[in-house]
Amino acid sequence: SQTIHQWPATLVQPVGSPLSLECTVEGTSNPNLYWYRQAAGRGLQLLFYSVGIGQISSEVPQNLSASRPQDRQFILSSKKLLLSDSGFYLCAWSAGRLNIQYFGAGTRLSVL
Amino acid sequence: EDQVTQSPEALRLQEGESSSLNCSYTVSGLRGLFWYRQDPGKGPEFLFTLYSAGEEKEKERLKATLTKKESFLHITAPKPEDSATYLCAVQASYTDKLIFGTGTRLQVFP
Repeated sequence: SQTIHQWPATLVQPVGSPLSLECTVEGTSNPNLYWYRQAAGRGLQLLFYSVGIGQISSEVPQNLSASRPQDRQFILSSKKLLLSDSGFYLCAWSAGRLNIQYFGAGTRLSVL
Repeated sequence: EDQVTQSPEALRLQEGESSSLNCSYTVSGLRGLFWYRQDPGKGPEFLFTLYSAGEEKEKERLKATLTKKESFLHITAPKPEDSATYLCAVQASYTDKLIFGTGTRLQVFP
């Protein structure tokens, strides 16, 4: 069966520090991969999605970037964090005709 | 513009008191409508996908229905463990991306 791993679960970082969040998927090949941010009381905002290695689409201009170095690995990065980058970050995958998205456990990022 | 609106924002129910959550949508060609459950501090958990008007899906105390403009998530005789935020999302025919509503926060009291 397929599983998605996302880490760390929580992260506290100072303003101006770098960021790297990692997401890996097991049990499927060539999945679509997604990064979302969820602010309190708001819906999920799609940040990036990828349909293959090295293929990244950015949905909103921001201080973040994403990379997909391997088929089942998706990384969210920043060179210098801003206060506004605080939030709950979720990774998701989908595959096949039904294209149902399955989510990881999320990372709570606090930028202080 | 494709969009999803969920109502109510919050719902408080007594255990056993049945109710419905609404998801209204506008989309350029519906490919699928998705319901998720999200517990505090966790990622959304997939519940149902509906693809065409008139379709219904059931899982335990939950039943999802779909029309051309909205979907309902019916909760029959809810229990405290059904307390969570329920998210609705739509997928348009031209994309793999989902558009999410802001969710309905359900609290069920014993």
